[in-house]
Amino acid sequence: DTAVSQTPKYLVTQMGNDKSIKCEQNLGHDTMYWYKQDSKKFLKIMFSYNNKELIINETVPNRFSPKSPDKAHLNLHINSLELGDSAVYFCASSQRAATDTQYFGPGTRLTVL
Amino acid sequence: AQSVTQLGSHVSVSEGALVLLRCNYSSSVPPYLFWYVQYPNQGLQLLLKYTTGATLVKGINGFEAEFKKSETSFHLTKPSAHMSDAAEYFCAVSEGSGNTPLVFGKGTRLSVIA
Repeated sequence: DTAVSQTPKYLVTQMGNDKSIKCEQNLGHDTMYWYKQDSKKFLKIMFSYNNKELIINETVPNRFSPKSPDKAHLNLHINSLELGDSAVYFCASSQRAATDTQYFGPGTRLTVL
Repeated sequence: AQSVTQLGSHVSVSEGALVLLRCNYSSSVPPYLFWYVQYPNQGLQLLLKYTTGATLVKGINGFEAEFKKSETSFHLTKPSAHMSDAAEYFCAVSEGSGNTPLVFGKGTRLSVIA
């Protein structure tokens, strides 16, 4: 039973396309996150949702739009993909706040050509 | 705002040797401190965390870390390295408010030599 799952695991696409990454957690957590990990392994928070409400929105281009249909799901939609969007995107969840242990998904490696 | 500095982007140790990964933090309030490990092509998983109380924290796989407020440090140690410890290690800090994010250091890659 995977606690935090993401699909797809790999995503290869052309510049200018629109793509989505899906995330689901079965831990009953209230809070979910999206992180971006660049080629140097630097991990940065993008968004955080608590009970479907956006609570953290770091400086991210508005081409990135998170959507939380319910508290177990947090999807990431990216419009007009650029070369610089190539990275590994991780979804995570925690019971409540960022002070709680975060459980990470396996990551989605996005490559923009 | 909180920040984390991990000294050394790459640490190499022999199997059986002491592992020491350094982490210094900056926080305006008492911090919550974490060490996460990332094995190749996987997500991160928690090794250990400090919230309040005992400053020496024990985690999984024989790792431990000590919170030293006077030095603003939270270094990770393991007495004897194993080949399976080779991974990327991230120190992270949170200031405890629900709306402040967890801030990660840049990571330290640990290599274990047979």
